[in-house]
Amino acid sequence: DQQVKQNSPSLSVQEGRISILNCDYTNSMFDYFLWYKKYPAEGPTFLISISSIKDKNEDGRFTVFLNKSAKHLSLHIVPSQPGDSAVYFCAASRGGATNKLIFGTGTLLAVQP
Amino acid sequence: EPEVTQTPSHQVTQMGQEVILRCVPISNHLYFYWYRQILGQKVEFLVSFYNNEISEKSEIFDDQFSVERPDGSNFTLKIRSTKLEDSAMYFCASSEETGRLYEQYFGPGTRLTVT
Repeated sequence: DQQVKQNSPSLSVQEGRISILNCDYTNSMFDYFLWYKKYPAEGPTFLISISSIKDKNEDGRFTVFLNKSAKHLSLHIVPSQPGDSAVYFCAASRGGATNKLIFGTGTLLAVQP
Repeated sequence: EPEVTQTPSHQVTQMGQEVILRCVPISNHLYFYWYRQILGQKVEFLVSFYNNEISEKSEIFDDQFSVERPDGSNFTLKIRSTKLEDSAMYFCASSEETGRLYEQYFGPGTRLTVT
């Protein structure tokens, strides 16, 4: 089941710079997308979401962009901080009769001081 | 800030034994979920629960699995006869009924080790 894909297993950026994490999906029925952050031995922490009727949602240092025609979303973190170092998962939901989230494989972000 | 809690944090059991994983969802949430993550793999949906019944379940959630909300605060996952391949992190999540329905808040997880 490869409906949600994160092709970069890892990303390293310098503190203060922009981190861009990418996610692709194949199912055009998805109408809600989310980003979660996960530290080792902890559960996923909700960061930000976007509905398919929007192309951008911003919350502080975090911005999610959605390109429906390309079936692509990205998470921008500006400026990046060492505490942002974690695994980032994108997830998608079809909505309607189902709330289940389908997760990508995750991208390990390392922010270097 | 309200959070989802799970107990125990780590459960070791022998193959064939029954285990019960416990969760306390966020108090005003009405949708509850279980997910699992086998080491090195994706987080996978198991089951969703609303209004005291299962609203959806995955292929993984076979007859060996069951969920229950025994009282107003706890939400449990039972595995009747554990198999080696049930070893995983199990995450409970909850979400509001309306508005931000899809924003699911996860607990810290229970690491289940089946020997």
